[in-house]
Amino acid sequence: QQQVKQSPQSLIVQKGGISIINCAYENTAFDYFPWYQQFPGKGPALLIAIRPDVSEKKEGRFTISFNKSAKQFSLHIMDSQPGDSATYFCAASFTGNTGKLIFGQGTTLQVKP
Amino acid sequence: DADVTQTPRNRITKTGKRIMLECSQTKGHDRMYWYRQDPGLGLRLIYYSFDVKDINKGEISDGYSVSRQAQAKFSLSLESAIPNQTALYFCATSDSLTGQETQYFGPGTRLLVL
Repeated sequence: QQQVKQSPQSLIVQKGGISIINCAYENTAFDYFPWYQQFPGKGPALLIAIRPDVSEKKEGRFTISFNKSAKQFSLHIMDSQPGDSATYFCAASFTGNTGKLIFGQGTTLQVKP
Repeated sequence: DADVTQTPRNRITKTGKRIMLECSQTKGHDRMYWYRQDPGLGLRLIYYSFDVKDINKGEISDGYSVSRQAQAKFSLSLESAIPNQTALYFCATSDSLTGQETQYFGPGTRLLVL
């Protein structure tokens, strides 16, 4: 019930296209859903996050869509650029869980020029 | 200078050896975490610490131990390394006092156990 399942494991998109990464969770107590971005040789860094009181959050070309009833959330990268090539992790946590994040399996995105 | 540093960045060791991975932070955060990253498995929590006197096991603590020597330092030890501990290890910090849940990761330590 603590798991977060992420798909696809890898994704290749042409420059200018839309990249979509999906995550599903079981624990309905989760109330914080961040996405982390990791470049090769670097540690993950927070990209964008959402709470379940809204269905969508947008920051520039990055959007999180959240479906509470389906227990799913997704990251959309509009106008994908080669510089977006990285590994993306979704995660979840809940209030009172001492800041612990449960991470998905990761998606390696390659944006071709 | 980086806010979260890890040493060493790369390490090759042999089965049965004891090794220590170190993490230091200058962010002034109270919480620190150790994760391991494996392809297809994502990031899994090994240990976490709220402060110097509060250390807790994570999802995969077997075979590992930790020490929080100071608020800024959190070390991970492999008492007797085995090949399936070959992985990328990350330290992270967060600040409970501001209520923000963002975790800040170090650059990682790549460990190979032969």
